[in-house]
Amino acid sequence: NAGVTQTPKFQVLKTGQSMTLQCAQDMNHEYMSWYRQDPGMGLRLIHYSVGAGITDQGEVPNGYNVSRSTTEDFPLRLLSAAPSQTSVYFCASSQGGPPSGANVLTFGAGSRLTVL
Amino acid sequence: AQSVTQLGSHVSVSEGALVLLRCNYSSSVPPYLFWYVQYPNQGLQLLLKYTSAATLVKGINGFEAEFKKSETSFHLTKPSAHMSDAAEYFCAVSEGAAGNKLTFGGGTRVLVKP
Repeated sequence: NAGVTQTPKFQVLKTGQSMTLQCAQDMNHEYMSWYRQDPGMGLRLIHYSVGAGITDQGEVPNGYNVSRSTTEDFPLRLLSAAPSQTSVYFCASSQGGPPSGANVLTFGAGSRLTVL
Repeated sequence: AQSVTQLGSHVSVSEGALVLLRCNYSSSVPPYLFWYVQYPNQGLQLLLKYTSAATLVKGINGFEAEFKKSETSFHLTKPSAHMSDAAEYFCAVSEGAAGNKLTFGGGTRVLVKP
């Protein structure tokens, strides 16, 4: 069982470039989400999805797009990268539904993005 | 909306000493509370969770946390620190049983001195 797989692990972009962070899970989890981690700020929710075809915004959605065409994949797109998007990005999924009650998030290993 | 405050961004303890990490939350509904741990260069993994079954919750690696509704707290403790406990710890709260989001605190990095 691979769990949650994120690619790439490291990426350097120039301001204005676009890119997609990939996230795939093989656990048949309906709920998937993207967080960004910045020093002293913990993890902040960017976007989440409760199932294929359904997405919603989290706490810090500006500058990011998502789509969910399959249960397995939940890519995060940066359309025009800015230095403020330099961060570590984590994808996480949850068995049985959203991360409430008894449901627990399973995290990927993270993608470190630097925008120059 | 819910929020989480972790007191102290860094904690230094000696090997064998008590580990105490503080977490206070606010929530408009009965909360579900979690502690996650992040080892260097890894993703987060669950330490323990509170889901209203018992106020004292035991987790992995000897950690436990106590839910105190009157103090809106969910502090994490371990009686005797081990070098392998060096990591960053995050407290998190969800929007009740039907919530869609998990809100994290700012994290506390634990350094264990030999």
